[in-house]
Amino acid sequence: GDSVTQMEGPVTLSEEAFLTINCTYTATGYPSLFWYVQYPGEGLQLLLKATKADDKGSNKGFEATYRKETTSFHLEKGSVQVSDSAVYFCALTLNSGGSNYKLTFGKGTLLTVNP
Amino acid sequence: NAGVTQTPKFRILKIGQSMTLQCAQDMNHNYMYWYRQDPGMGLKLIYYSVGAGITDKGEVPNGYNVSRSTTEDFPLRLELAAPSQTSVYFCASRPPLFIQGSGGYTFGSGTRLTVV
Repeated sequence: GDSVTQMEGPVTLSEEAFLTINCTYTATGYPSLFWYVQYPGEGLQLLLKATKADDKGSNKGFEATYRKETTSFHLEKGSVQVSDSAVYFCALTLNSGGSNYKLTFGKGTLLTVNP
Repeated sequence: NAGVTQTPKFRILKIGQSMTLQCAQDMNHNYMYWYRQDPGMGLKLIYYSVGAGITDKGEVPNGYNVSRSTTEDFPLRLELAAPSQTSVYFCASRPPLFIQGSGGYTFGSGTRLTVV
């Protein structure tokens, strides 16, 4: 079946440090890839997405590139802020109506950024 | 504001009690989903629906039931609550086609359920 494996946390960084959270996937079809963010006490918000190979999703200084050859979608940010402290989820959905567009999630990575 | 509304936000149940978690969306989305979130485990799909009158099981359906009598509402029913159902529950919806440029899924803010 489909699965998403992301870097185990927690990750603790100082403000302005570089962030990488690794994400790899296995899929029976051709997936779209997502990063969701969950701030403390809140629901999930879409951070960025990519729908085909070599696409780069970006938002709020975060970036991730859809790498089909390595089945990866690593999240990066050049300079993190305290306000980026949250749980980050990598997820995929298959691009076919037969999949009913169900999301498959990784386990989440807790990021804490210290001032 | 358009979106997914979940009620209640918090609930404590005793073992063996039952309850319904409510989910409503006002975006005319066909697809709706219920996920549970357990610490360190990500989100697991409980049930989903592709439209009014049509529901199907996800990864972890045992102990739950759903119905979809309207496009807007997708309630999740817990019968005979057990401590293993202590979790945070999220409802989500999306339109029927993957629309380029859209975020696709909209999540509710969650219901935190504790079974004691």
